[in-house]
Amino acid sequence: QKEVEQNSGPLSVPEGAIASLNCTYSDRGSQSFFWYRQYSGKSPELIMSIYSNGDKEDGRFTAQLNKASQYVSLLIRDSQPSDSATYLCAGEWGSSNTGKLIFGQGTTLQVKP
Amino acid sequence: GAGVSQTPSNKVTEKGKYVELRCDPISGHTALYWYRQSLGQGPEFLIYFQGTGAADDSGLPNDRFFAVRPEGSVSTLKIQRTERGDSAVYLCASSLDRGVDEQYFGPGTRLTVT
Repeated sequence: QKEVEQNSGPLSVPEGAIASLNCTYSDRGSQSFFWYRQYSGKSPELIMSIYSNGDKEDGRFTAQLNKASQYVSLLIRDSQPSDSATYLCAGEWGSSNTGKLIFGQGTTLQVKP
Repeated sequence: GAGVSQTPSNKVTEKGKYVELRCDPISGHTALYWYRQSLGQGPEFLIYFQGTGAADDSGLPNDRFFAVRPEGSVSTLKIQRTERGDSAVYLCASSLDRGVDEQYFGPGTRLTVT
């Protein structure tokens, strides 16, 4: 089992819709999770961090964490064509606070005008 | 302020050669990380520095890879006797401190070994 798993997609949504991106992880000790956006040919850009169970909202983005189910998600409201990118989920490895991140392979999002 | 910078942006080298990749973190960030990303995959952890010391080098694939951060700021990733399988984008990230702090990535160095 991969340590952080994401569906590679592509996930296609129409402009204005809600895009839902999901991620599961295997390490129960992981405490911190991050969502990065990566445009083709560019480096990952941090969108959201989440450390506690529940929801965290920032503008059009909402991150959700459920530690009991080992599940992290990212919702993008009012999706725009400029949101088309690969979204990477990352979890901190273990509970020793090292900052070592384990990434999923990413989900490609396509927002159709 | 300035973000993480990496040089060179692209490096083409022949199999067996030695390469150095440089990372300059965000000013004031004490933690520095190197990752490697292959096409279609997420970044893969290589090594982490807290200050001048390598706190975790468990991701380095073998002893051909080595990294230093002598003054606690700029870091250099060194690869000896390069192999074609080393071809990837090498990403550097920094964070204010270790642990839960958010990591910010540089633009990466694309290494191609021919």
